[in-house]
Formats: sequence, C-alpha cells, structure tokens
Amino acid sequence: NAGVTQTPKFQVLKTGQSMTLQCAQDMNHNSMYWYRQDPGMGLRLIYYSASEGTTDKGEVPNGYNVSRLNKREFSLRLESAAPSQTSVYFCASSQQLISTDTQYFGPGTRLTVL
Amino acid sequence: KNEVEQSPQNLTAQEGEFITINCSYSVGISALHWLQQHPGGGIVSLFMLSSGKKKHGRLIATINIQEKHSSLHITASHPRDSAVYICAVLNAGNMLTFGGGTRLMVKP
Repeated sequence: NAGVTQTPKFQVLKTGQSMTLQCAQDMNHNSMYWYRQDPGMGLRLIYYSASEGTTDKGEVPNGYNVSRLNKREFSLRLESAAPSQTSVYFCASSQQLISTDTQYFGPGTRLTVL
Repeated sequence: KNEVEQSPQNLTAQEGEFITINCSYSVGISALHWLQQHPGGGIVSLFMLSSGKKKHGRLIATINIQEKHSSLHITASHPRDSAVYICAVLNAGNMLTFGGGTRLMVKP
C-alpha cells in the first residue's frame, strides 16, 4: 500500500497563476484533510472532507478550493496564487472524522509563489 | 497566546540521554496527539492520548488533563530520533490544533 500520495512534490508559481494539488489514499479512509505548514507555525487546517461528497472549511480556507473527487482523491486548488500561499502543503486521511483517530500524512508539496 | 505551546523549541542531546519535550495547552480538550516529522518532511503519528500514559518502544507519552500538560519522553536517545516532534490537541471544534514543534537533534 502506498498510503497517502501527493503530487507534485515541488512547484513554483508566479503570482496570479492557478494550480491543483492532488492527493490520493489507498486505505479506504472516509475522511481527508489539507494542511499548510509555515516556518515557526504549526500545521493549520485549510479544508477537510468528512466523507465522499462533503467538504468543509478549516482554519485558513481563504484563497483555496477543494474537491472530493471520490473516496480516494481530495484535491486542493489555488485559483490565483499569492506569495502568502508559499508554504508546504500536507494532505492527510483518517478512517473517521473524529480526531481521536490516527491521521496518516502524505509526503507534502513544497509550493513557492513568486 | 497560542492554544498549544511546546518547549523547548530546539533541543540538542548526546546519544543515550533521556529527553523530555513538553506541551501545554490553554483550552479544554478531549485528546492529544504526538507526531514526528522526519528531516525529509514526512509526518508520522506517534501517540494519541486522552488520559494517563502510553509507551511504544523507547517513547513514552504522558498527559495531565487537570494541568493541561503533556510530555513526550525518549529513553536512550539515538541519532535516528533527530526530528521535529509536534503536539496537537483535539479542541471543542473537533479539529486538531497544532503546536509549533520541537526540533530535536541527537548527536553521536
């Protein structure tokens, strides 16, 4: 099993460009999450999906959109990238939404917006 | 004030030393997670605690709900333990709030 996979691993964008970060899990998990990690700050939740067909905002959703394409895949889209979105993005999944469940993390995508 | 504070922010130890990393939080929680982030960036869940103590190999995690405090201990530390250790609490919104992490370096 690959666990949680993310593509791409690295990306450089210019301000105003758009892109989609892809995430997939092969553990048959119901819940998936997108986080960003900035230097000196903890991971912050951008969006989450409790189950296939549902998505909800997390702590820092502005400037992002998500799609839960099916049970396996959860994508994060930046419609018009800004330098403030330079960050490392992690996708995670868990069996259930309730966060007493173990979350499994992908390897991360390092995004730079110039 | 951040909801989750970790100390120290950085820690250097010699191989074999006993290590303690602390996590304090300011809100009521139902559970606390400890995670490890490897130098390459990957994040792995180590423990989930709601009370008491858990042990896995050389790692021990404790939590005191009344004092709003948790500790992660590493016995007989080894260079391969070098990583960032992250505490996260499950708050009233049923989502995780993360601390800023403790960067540990264990020297041979």
